[in-house]
Amino acid sequence: QVQLVESGGGVVQSGGSLRLSCIASGFSFSTYGIHWVRQAPGKGLEWVAVISVDGTVKYYADSVKGRFTISRANSKNTLYLQMNSMRAEDTAVYYCARARNNQLAGSIDYWGQGTLVTVSS
Amino acid sequence: EIVMTQSPATLSVSPGERATLSCRASESASSNLAWYQQKPGQALRLLIYGASTRATGIPARFSGSGSGTEFTLTISSLQSEDFAVYFCQQYNDWPPKLTFGGGTKVEIK
Repeated sequence: QVQLVESGGGVVQSGGSLRLSCIASGFSFSTYGIHWVRQAPGKGLEWVAVISVDGTVKYYADSVKGRFTISRANSKNTLYLQMNSMRAEDTAVYYCARARNNQLAGSIDYWGQGTLVTVSS
Repeated sequence: EIVMTQSPATLSVSPGERATLSCRASESASSNLAWYQQKPGQALRLLIYGASTRATGIPARFSGSGSGTEFTLTISSLQSEDFAVYFCQQYNDWPPKLTFGGGTKVEIK
């Protein structure tokens, strides 16, 4: 079955950096675009970024553009999110999620359980 | 950016009753609208895409309707496992800029 498992969350100081990972299994990772979506505690969902199957096409939310970088290693079935210059408002659970039918601007058919990132001031 | 607004924020329903959840877009999302279910400790689950197409394995009691700026998720007869938070999401923008509604919590009355 499709599984997405995030890791790398934790507490980081304002202005600091953190790298999240997401290991995929149960499907052909290299044939799907993958998203990062976040959810602040007790809040709704916010789309963060998406990456194409070969990693050459990337799109970001305005709130993270220039600070976050999405990347992937298909040989390792792994997605990454490098987060720099972090702010208190980046505090959230971060989910990796598969783009249904590999449509980057589409719905999401599988989600991970998420990893919590806390930015302290 | 298309802003999505869900109502009500909380819906109190008795088991077996019908639940109707609304989602409004600030501008047309065509039929590029999905619904998700979120339960504590579980991964989010895709229910509906294309405004009205049930995802794989989703029971027939879940149905979606609407297009343009007004969308509805209906749960025809609430089961105990349906009490959860539901989010709508539009995907009409290009380049991709997915946006979600604030969610509707369906609770036991």
